Amino acid sequence: GAVVSQHPSRVICKSGTSVKIECRSLDFQATTMFWYRQFPKKSLMLMATSNEGSKATYEQGVEKDKFLINHASLTLSTLTVTSAHPEDSSFYICSASTTPPDGNTIYFGEGSWLTVV
Amino acid sequence: QKEVEQDPGPLSVPEGAIVSLNCTYSNSAFQYFMWYRQYSRKGPELLMYTYSSGNKEDGRFTAQVDKSSKYISLFIRDSQPSDSATYLCAMGTGGFKTIFGAGTRLFVKA
Repeated sequence: GAVVSQHPSRVICKSGTSVKIECRSLDFQATTMFWYRQFPKKSLMLMATSNEGSKATYEQGVEKDKFLINHASLTLSTLTVTSAHPEDSSFYICSASTTPPDGNTIYFGEGSWLTVV
Repeated sequence: QKEVEQDPGPLSVPEGAIVSLNCTYSNSAFQYFMWYRQYSRKGPELLMYTYSSGNKEDGRFTAQVDKSSKYISLFIRDSQPSDSATYLCAMGTGGFKTIFGAGTRLFVKA
């Protein structure tokens, strides 16, 4: 199956600093990638849809200036949490969508644990 | 009404039991149906993918789609403690927007 790699898997940063998380599709080209946030024992919350070469589409309530998304190539999307605060601590997951014939099958990265201290 | 409804559980079963996980949905345009397994502190892993109605079997897992009832199921035969995880249903129309269920937490007791 398709592989999506996410890095780093864990990161601790100081309050007020910025942190970047990378999402790579390793064996397929992903024109569309997605970023989710997940709190403990809760479901995935879609934050934004990232399209290669264009601006990301953010879900309602997600601050686009705080969560900067860049999708510079068909295999790489990045999420930068700017001026991080402790309430930004969470599990962040990316996913990438394949194109037909698999339809819109979504493959997930391993997730990144962010702790802001 | 949510587009996809999934009972969050938890569902607790003894080892060897047959597990039935279900989702209902309201959008008749959904054509692609998926089940993901998520272990604690890990990203979701694609288990089953089906297109339109019918059954699909893969080892101990069987996915069923009943479009007339807007109901999908995942059956796990001979459940094992290693099957303990959260199971997410997901579905899409053929574009890139996929809707996820809330996930059902499953515990298989040895």
